[in-house]
Amino acid sequence: GAGVSQSPSNKVTEKGKDVELRCDPISGHTALYWYRQSLGQGLEFLIYFQGNSAPDKSGLPSDRFSAERTGGSVSTLTIQRTQQEDSAVYLCASSFQGTSPSYEQYFGPGTRLTVT
Amino acid sequence: KQEVTQIPAALSVPEGENLVLNCSFTDSAIYNLQWFRQDPGKGLTSLLLIQSSQREQTSGRLNASLDKSSGRSTLYIAASQPGDSATYLCAVKGSSNTGKLIFGQGTTLQVKP
Repeated sequence: GAGVSQSPSNKVTEKGKDVELRCDPISGHTALYWYRQSLGQGLEFLIYFQGNSAPDKSGLPSDRFSAERTGGSVSTLTIQRTQQEDSAVYLCASSFQGTSPSYEQYFGPGTRLTVT
Repeated sequence: KQEVTQIPAALSVPEGENLVLNCSFTDSAIYNLQWFRQDPGKGLTSLLLIQSSQREQTSGRLNASLDKSSGRSTLYIAASQPGDSATYLCAVKGSSNTGKLIFGQGTTLQVKP
C-alpha cells in the first residue's frame, strides 16, 4: 500500500517568509510524528499527534513553529518568519498507535527546506 | 535525559563479511528500540523493532539484540552486500505516553565489492 507522503519535496524560501509543509500518513495510522534532521543536530523530535490532538509538543524549537492535524489524517507543519537555522530536512512518520510498544514508525521521504 | 550513542560513526568492510553495529542508551527504562536505514537523500526505512520485553528480532540477514540492563543493542548483518551500504540509525522510545523516538547519530556503512 501507499507509504507516508510529504510535500513539497524541496522548498526554498527567503528569510522572514512563512512556509507550510504537508504530511499524508499511511491510511489507518492514528499516530503521526514530525522530526527534523540537520547536519549539526542529527534527527530531532518535534511533535506527536494521536488523532487530532498533540499530547507531546516538547520538541517544537520556538513559537514560530506550529502544527495541526485535521480529520485524523493529513498534518501541516507551519514555520513563521523563517530563519536560516530552520534549514533542514523535515521528516514525517506515522504508526498505528503512539502508545503501543509493538508498532513501528514509518517515515516519509522528507521535505528539504532551505532558507536563504 | 536519554542519550543514544552509536559507535563507530563509519565503517567500511569488504563484501561478504559479517558485521555488528552498536547502539547504547543511558536510560534503561525504554519502551522499545527501532533500527532504521537511511540512503543518501532519502527518508528512513524501518528494519527491526524490539519491544522492551524482547531480547532479539530477526529479519532475513539482519538480527537485532537488546540488553536493557546494560543499555545496549546490536544490529548484526550477515554476509554483507554492496546494497547494504547506507547509514544505520537506532532510536529508542522512552515511554507509552509519547511517541517520541530519540535517535543516535548513526553509523555510515560502506560495503566494497
